[in-house]
Amino acid sequence: DIQMTQSPSAMSASVGDRVTITCRASQDISNYLAWFQQKPGKVPKRLIYGASNLQSGVPSRFSGSGSGTEFTLTISSLQPEDFATYYCLQHNGHPTWTFGPGTKVEIK
Amino acid sequence: EVQLLESGGDLVQPGGSLRLSCVTSGFTFSDFRMGWVRQAPGKGLEWVANIDRDGSGTFYVGSLRGRFSISRDNAKDSLYLQMNSLRAEDAALYYCVMINSDFAPFESWGQGTLVTVSS
Repeated sequence: DIQMTQSPSAMSASVGDRVTITCRASQDISNYLAWFQQKPGKVPKRLIYGASNLQSGVPSRFSGSGSGTEFTLTISSLQPEDFATYYCLQHNGHPTWTFGPGTKVEIK
Repeated sequence: EVQLLESGGDLVQPGGSLRLSCVTSGFTFSDFRMGWVRQAPGKGLEWVANIDRDGSGTFYVGSLRGRFSISRDNAKDSLYLQMNSLRAEDAALYYCVMINSDFAPFESWGQGTLVTVSS
């Protein structure tokens, strides 16, 4: 099975900061990688699919990049509503898919 | 508008069984693969299972294969998850998810149904 790691597991940042979260796969998953945002008590929301495609309605300050085994989610200028936990999902593995363990972005 | 409505979550004793349901609307259910994702209290997301459009293919996270069974009834626009031999570590919020496409899955989520395993 494909394993996913994320770094950092948690971080503190200020409004306006540029934030980068990394997700690594244990084997090549091409660009079958999605990013999700989850706020406390809420349903996860997809931000990025296909590693770099921005979900409709998601602010352009969010971007994704990478392919193969290393991927990044970047928030260009952190906003108050962006404080949340972020998860990557690999969906190339057959027959199993895997979420990363998550990155919690907290207010500094 | 896509709607996914889960039900069936309950308090169950260790070793017990439970069947979760997800009734869908707003799209042609039989055109899409579907799945279940769970989240234990205070923990991360865990993919549980997927099922193909006609139910012919089912896929599970390795640790659950043999205890959990995903199924669907396209005539009822419904997805199911049969959970047997439940353990304390199966306690979680279970989400019904839509695989909008193989390249862009899990755009749509239900609100979740809570499973508690305790004696």
